[in-house]
Formats: sequence, structure tokens, C-alpha cells
Amino acid sequence: GNSVTQMEGPVTLSEEAFLTINCTYTATGYPSLFWYVQYPGEGLQLLLKATKADDKGSNKGFEATYRKETTSFHLEKGSVQVSDSAVYFCALSPSDDYKLSFGAGTTVTVRA
Amino acid sequence: DVKVTQSSRYLVKRTGEKVFLECVQDMDHENMFWYRQDPGLGLRLIYFSYDVKMKEKGDIPEGYSVSREKKERFSLILESASTNQTSMYLCASSSPSGRGNTIYFGEGSWLTVV
Repeated sequence: GNSVTQMEGPVTLSEEAFLTINCTYTATGYPSLFWYVQYPGEGLQLLLKATKADDKGSNKGFEATYRKETTSFHLEKGSVQVSDSAVYFCALSPSDDYKLSFGAGTTVTVRA
Repeated sequence: DVKVTQSSRYLVKRTGEKVFLECVQDMDHENMFWYRQDPGLGLRLIYFSYDVKMKEKGDIPEGYSVSREKKERFSLILESASTNQTSMYLCASSSPSGRGNTIYFGEGSWLTVV
């Protein structure tokens, strides 16, 4: 079946530090890959996505590249801000389906 | 602007009660979803609907049912609430067209069963 594994948190960083959250997946075919973010007290928002191998998704200074050879979609940001404190979810959508499978989520706290 | 609205943000219900969680979307989306979010488990799909009156079980449908009488509305029903159904419930919707379609989420409903 389809599954997503992301690094466990929580992650605590200082402002302007580099952030990486690892995500690997198991799926047949060519899934689409997503990062969603959940700010405190809110629902999930799409942060970025990639629909085919070697695509790079980017938004708000975050980036992730779809690596089929390593089945990975790691999230990176070069300089985090306090406002980036949130829970980050990696997810995949199979090539023949509309449903999302999610990782467990990684809680990120950025300190001033 | 895209909008998925969950009618209740916080609910406290007693064991054995019947609970209705309502969700409305204003994007004319065909697909609607109910997920449950628990710490360390991420989001797990309870039910999915791809059209009016159509439904499909997700990964954890036991103890839940759904209703989709109108395209914009998708209800989650707990027939007899139990304490292990205390959780955050998230409704979502998407259009079926295209690959890698974005799924839009509501703000969530926190349900506590006592």
C-alpha cells in the first residue's frame, strides 16, 4: 500500500537557522507529493507540491524536490522565522486516486 | 477565496450520544473527505465521497457513517460516541480533475467524548 514516513519531532530551532524535514514514501506508480502546514489552532494549508520526478515545489521560502530514485520529498528552508512555527505534514496522492495519505507530522518551533 | 466550513469548532459529548459533524464547501467540488487527526498518527481517512449520495470507506470507518445529500455538504455521523473517538476531525474537498489536485481543508472540529 501507500505510505509516508517523515522525521519525528519535535524540532526546535533558532530564528534564521536552516530547516530540513525528511520525508520518504512508498507507492506504486508515480504519485503526487505534497507538504501541508498546520498553524496553531487552524486547519491544514497546502504549502507546496510536486507532481512528477525532479519537480521542485516552492512557496514562502520553502522548497522540496521530488526524488524518485530515493523516494523522497524533503522539505527545506534556508532561514526560518518565528512565524514558521507549525506542524508540517508530508503527503502523497497515488497516480490513480484522489485521496491523500499523510505522514505523522513534524512539529517545528522557532525561537526568537 | 476557497472555503471549507466546519460548523462546530469545539464539541463535548457524552458516551453513547449520536454526534453530527457538518461540513460545507463553496467551491463546487465533487470530492469531499473526512479525516481524523491524532498526535503521532497524522491524518487518517475515515470516509470519502466523490459525488452526491456516493461514499467510500477510508482507512478507519468503524464507528462512523456519512451523508452527502447535496454536493456542497458532507456530514460525519458518530452513531454512538465513545471515548476513543475523542479527536480532531478535519473535513476537506477537492476537484477530481487533473493530477496532483490540491485538497482544501476546513479549520477542524475538536470533539471530546466524556
